[in-house]
Amino acid sequence: DAKTTQPNSMESNEEEPVHLPCNHSTISGTDYIHWYRQLPSQGPEYVIHGLTSNVNNRMASLAIAEDRKSSTLILHRATLRDAAVYYCILDLFNNYGQNFVFGPGTRLSVLP
Amino acid sequence: DSGVTQTPKHLITATGQRVTLRCSPRSGDLSVYWYQQSLDQGLQFLIQYYNGEERAKGNILERFSAQQFPDLHSELNLSSLELGDSALYFCASSVSDLYNEQFFGPGTRLTVL
Repeated sequence: DAKTTQPNSMESNEEEPVHLPCNHSTISGTDYIHWYRQLPSQGPEYVIHGLTSNVNNRMASLAIAEDRKSSTLILHRATLRDAAVYYCILDLFNNYGQNFVFGPGTRLSVLP
Repeated sequence: DSGVTQTPKHLITATGQRVTLRCSPRSGDLSVYWYQQSLDQGLQFLIQYYNGEERAKGNILERFSAQQFPDLHSELNLSSLELGDSALYFCASSVSDLYNEQFFGPGTRLTVL
């Protein structure tokens, strides 16, 4: 079964870059990689997604390894508001259409 | 505020009962997704509807079913409830059916006693 693995927790200082890793060694060629984050007592919030090339948006950057077996979410300058659980998600296709497989999540703490 | 609404916020019921969770997507969104979040299983995708039709299915139990109505709101029906069904149930919506940013609602917390 396809799955992702992520570190349980990470810590960063405010205004420093953060690199959140994700391993997805069983990914297939058409599977997208999504990242969402969940702030306390809220539903998940979209961060970024990509297929093969690195992606940038106003929130973050996504670096995808050439073999696509891993990816890294990059927050360029962490703020206190970025403290959340970050989920790496594989967007798979199966006989029933799409299937979103969530990783266990990385709890990011941001220190002032 | 994502624009996705879910009712009720909290639901407490007994084993063996049946409940219905309701979701209203953002205005203009045609896809609705349902997710379950529990302490032991984490976040799991259950099912997706697009413009009234089932589009994708994940780890949804046979005791669970969903539908999307012509006005695009969706309901998730959970029957023969077990203690292990206690969880947060999230609804999300997106503009179309593939590779889109999903907007999540605040969730319904279900407690089965």
